[in-house]
Amino acid sequence: GDSVTQMEGPVTLSEEAFLTINCTYTATGYPSLFWYVQYPGEGLQLLLKATKADDKGSNKGFEATYRKETTSFHLEKGSVQVSDSAVYFCALPYNAGNMLTFGGGTRLMVKP
Amino acid sequence: DTGVSQDPRHKITKRGQNVTFRCDPISEHNRLYWYRQTLGQGPEFLTYFQNEAQLEKSRLLSDRFSAERPKGSFSTLEIQRTEQGDSAMYLCASSLAGGGNTIYFGEGSWLTVV
Repeated sequence: GDSVTQMEGPVTLSEEAFLTINCTYTATGYPSLFWYVQYPGEGLQLLLKATKADDKGSNKGFEATYRKETTSFHLEKGSVQVSDSAVYFCALPYNAGNMLTFGGGTRLMVKP
Repeated sequence: DTGVSQDPRHKITKRGQNVTFRCDPISEHNRLYWYRQTLGQGPEFLTYFQNEAQLEKSRLLSDRFSAERPKGSFSTLEIQRTEQGDSAMYLCASSLAGGGNTIYFGEGSWLTVV
């Protein structure tokens, strides 16, 4: 079935370091892909999305490119801040796009 | 657009008691979802409604769980005879109908069963 695999965390970086969080997917066709972020004690917020192959989603300095050749949607940011410390989830629609399945999440810790 | 709101945000209950969570979706959204998230895990789908119709239920939704959306607006999730394994965050989300539309989540309701 459709599924998402993320790199395990935690990922610990110093402020201003470059961030990559890997996400690969298995799906029928070319669904939209999403990254959500969860700050401590809170619900999920949509970070960015891409609706078709080769699309790049971006928001708040984060970017992810939908690559059908490698079935990947890796999240990147050029210079992380302490405020980026959170858990990041890659997500994939399934069942004709009616529901979302999530990866296990990757915890990012940014140190000053 | 006030976002998806959930109430209560936190609930501590004794094992065996019943609890009910409420969700108010984004006003124009006709789809409403419930997910469960345990510590260190991603959210897991429980059920979803389109308007007042419950269209899909996960196997995670045991017979102690019941969800309703009587008028196609707000929804309630009731857990009867709570067990310690029910301790989790219950997330509500909403969207417009249609595959691939963005699903927006609320802040979640934390349940602790003691």
